[in-house]
Amino acid sequence: DVKVTQSSRYLVKRTGEKVFLECVQDMDHENMFWYRQDPGLGLRLIYFSYDVKMKEKGDIPEGYSVSREKKERFSLILESASTNQTSMYLCASSLWIASYRREQFFGPGTRLTVL
Amino acid sequence: QQQVKQSPQSLIVQKGGISIINCAYENTAFDYFPWYQQFPGKGPALLIAIRPDVSEKKEGRFTISFNKSAKQFSLHIMDSQPGDSATYFCAASGAERGGSQGNLIFGKGTKLSVKP
Repeated sequence: DVKVTQSSRYLVKRTGEKVFLECVQDMDHENMFWYRQDPGLGLRLIYFSYDVKMKEKGDIPEGYSVSREKKERFSLILESASTNQTSMYLCASSLWIASYRREQFFGPGTRLTVL
Repeated sequence: QQQVKQSPQSLIVQKGGISIINCAYENTAFDYFPWYQQFPGKGPALLIAIRPDVSEKKEGRFTISFNKSAKQFSLHIMDSQPGDSATYFCAASGAERGGSQGNLIFGKGTKLSVKP
């Protein structure tokens, strides 16, 4: 069973704080993704990574950075949290995209509130 | 060209009825069309997926219909049950090579409520 775990289910932070969201997958997947989910806007891709130390910007990278030092771990960093970053954050992983099986496996999400 | 448009935004269906959710895309390079199901408090999970070389794929009560010429695909849930109440996302991706073209482009989601 593929398992994607996220460090926190709920997080409350103050404006200006540096926030770290951690994601770990146990299936040796090459690809990892960070999305944010907001009502009416669906899933929007923030950053993704094809391999260790590699990262690519998604559709909404402003205000975020990422780190992938190990294959199984992908971290999302909010350098200076703002209230408009209050959202549900979802991490996902998948096999190498060129493979037939492009299924993404999602973690349970972290609901972040920035006050 | 990278968008996937999903409708309706919300849907209420009586138990035993048919739920239909539609998606449309523009990019003809897309070659993989999955549907994800998300229950409250959970991450999305793959429900069913189709490739454009077939017009229909059925798994139990869930069917994807695909119309390549119209660039549309839809999810049909037969004999809808209250346990099917969830948010459904269509998605699309393209190219068998790496790079951003292989990423999933998601629709905005449909919240389905099945009334007993």
